[in-house]
Parts: sequence; structure tokens; C-alpha cells
Amino acid sequence: DAGVTQSPTHLIKTRGQHVTLRCSPISGHKSVSWYQQVLGQGPQFIFQYYEKEERGRGNFPDRFSARQFPNYSSELNVNALLLGDSALYLCASSTRLAVHNEQFFGPGTRLTVL
Amino acid sequence: SQQGEEDPQALSIQEGENATMNCSYKTSINNLQWYRQNSGRGLVHLILIRSNEREKHSGRLRVTLDTSKKSSSLLITASRAADTASYFCATTPDTGNQFYFGTGTSLTVIP
Repeated sequence: DAGVTQSPTHLIKTRGQHVTLRCSPISGHKSVSWYQQVLGQGPQFIFQYYEKEERGRGNFPDRFSARQFPNYSSELNVNALLLGDSALYLCASSTRLAVHNEQFFGPGTRLTVL
Repeated sequence: SQQGEEDPQALSIQEGENATMNCSYKTSINNLQWYRQNSGRGLVHLILIRSNEREKHSGRLRVTLDTSKKSSSLLITASRAADTASYFCATTPDTGNQFYFGTGTSLTVIP
């Protein structure tokens, strides 16, 4: 069975640009969450979506947005990129609300902002 | 900001020894989870313990939770070189749908 997949694996952007990251959850999972992990730190919670609705949001600026599609895949969008947005972006899926259940993580997208 | 802090930040042990890492958090929680991460890759779920539980076992893993002290510990018994990784605790506050990871413990098991 396929695990959580994310695309692209690596991405290089310049300051001010926009980026879209994609995530496909495990089949049957209805919840997708996004995390940002800066090198040497623990992941920071960005968003949680369940049944296509936002069900939780971390302390990130409005430049960060996301959505979940009818097939439960998800996109994370970041506008007006800053150097500090360089990080590993992780997507995780779970059967129900992520914060109360085991989450399955994808390999991540490494974003570098120059 | 992160809710939890792991202690120690780094731990190096010989294969076969036990490894203990601790997690402290700040607010009342619904549950606490432990995850493992190898070399900056995706995280792997190890165990979930709910706020009304005090101890849980899974294979070579033992997790304890003390809600009065707002702390948890993860014990890995009979460690193996393959256990080398970073270990994170993650908490869900009992109010709101957020999820907070700690700062992590880097475990090195020497063959």
C-alpha cells in the first residue's frame, strides 16, 4: 500500500515568489496536516484539515494557506516567500482528526529560499 | 512556539543498553505522542498515550505520563544501532485542535 506522498521532493525559490506543495494521503485517510521543520528543530504545526474543512491552525502568518480537495489530497501555499521559510515541509495523514490519532508522515518537501 | 521540551538534547549509548528520554510540556493535554525521525526524513509514530493513562508499552518501548508534573518519559530497552534517530514528543492541548512537537532528543546507539 502506498504511504503518504509529497511533491516535489526539493524546491528552490527566490524571495517574494510563491510556492505550492502537494500531498496525497494514505487511501481511506480523511485528515491531512502540514508541518514546517527548520533544521535542528522539531516540526511546527501549520494546518489540519479534516473532511475538506480547516480544523486547526498553528501560529503562522496569512502568507500560509492550504486546502483539501474532494479526494482528500491537499495543497499548501506560501506567498511572498522569505528566507526564513526555508525548511522541510511535512505532510501527515490520519483516519480521523489528526491531533487525536496516530499520524502517518510523508518524506517531506525541502524548500530553499534564496 | 513549541509546547514541549525533550531532555536530554543528545544521548549516546552502547548497543544493548537502555535509553531514557524525557518530555516536559506546558499546558493540560488531551494526549501525548512519541515520534521517531531518521536523518531529517518523515516522522514515524511510536506510541500514543491519553491523558487518563499512566503507562503504555509497545514492544521494546515503554512510555509513562505524569499529568501532575506535565511530563512524559520514553524508555527504549535493549537498544539497537537501528534505534539511532531523533525522538520527539508531541502534545494535543485539551482545548483547541493544535499539535505541538517538542525540541527532540538525538539518540546515537553505538554498535
